[in-house]
Amino acid sequence: AQSVTQLDSQVPVFEEAPVELRCNYSSSVSVYLFWYVQYPNQGLQLLLKYLSGSTLVKGINGFEAEFNKSQTSFHLRKPSVHISDTAEYFCAVINDYKLSFGAGTTVTVRA
Amino acid sequence: NAGVTQTPKFQVLKTGQSMTLQCAQDMNHEYMSWYRQDPGMGLRLIHYSVGAGITDQGEVPNGYNVSRSTTEDFPLRLLSAAPSQTSVYFCATSAGTGFNEQFFGPGTRLTVL
Repeated sequence: AQSVTQLDSQVPVFEEAPVELRCNYSSSVSVYLFWYVQYPNQGLQLLLKYLSGSTLVKGINGFEAEFNKSQTSFHLRKPSVHISDTAEYFCAVINDYKLSFGAGTTVTVRA
Repeated sequence: NAGVTQTPKFQVLKTGQSMTLQCAQDMNHEYMSWYRQDPGMGLRLIHYSVGAGITDQGEVPNGYNVSRSTTEDFPLRLLSAAPSQTSVYFCATSAGTGFNEQFFGPGTRLTVL
């Protein structure tokens, strides 16, 4: 079975600073990886996804992620965060129609 | 276009009561799924459906039933509610088999006393 581990449960960051959210996955077969964001009291929305091709994936709102097969990682980055990026972020992997989520990373952006 | 709608938004049940959480979509998506979200555990898949008449179990199916008689609707039934089922429930849909983006509803917050 495939699974993901998010290495940080909470990430505080100052406005305009860079942020990196770490995600490792375990899989013995082809992987399809996703990052979702959940703003307070809302459902989830897709930030970006990796299915194949270029290992650097660009998403919405200035986020990007890099798929690293040798390190089994899919870390999410943003070079300069805004207050509005305060949210919970989930890494996920899909296998056989089932999407498995990590435990989530709460990002709090302070002025 | 309403997208994915869930009702009710909030619900309080007593242990042993039954209820149905409703999920409807107007995007003509074949794939629909139910998740529960608990603090520190992310979202866990309860049941999913790849089309009308087809359902299957996810990671945490015990205590829940589903059916899919139409493309649009995918209700989740709690047969005999337990305090362990206190959670936030999300319905999601996707075109195809889930490799595409999943669109999430706004959630139902359920408390079982």
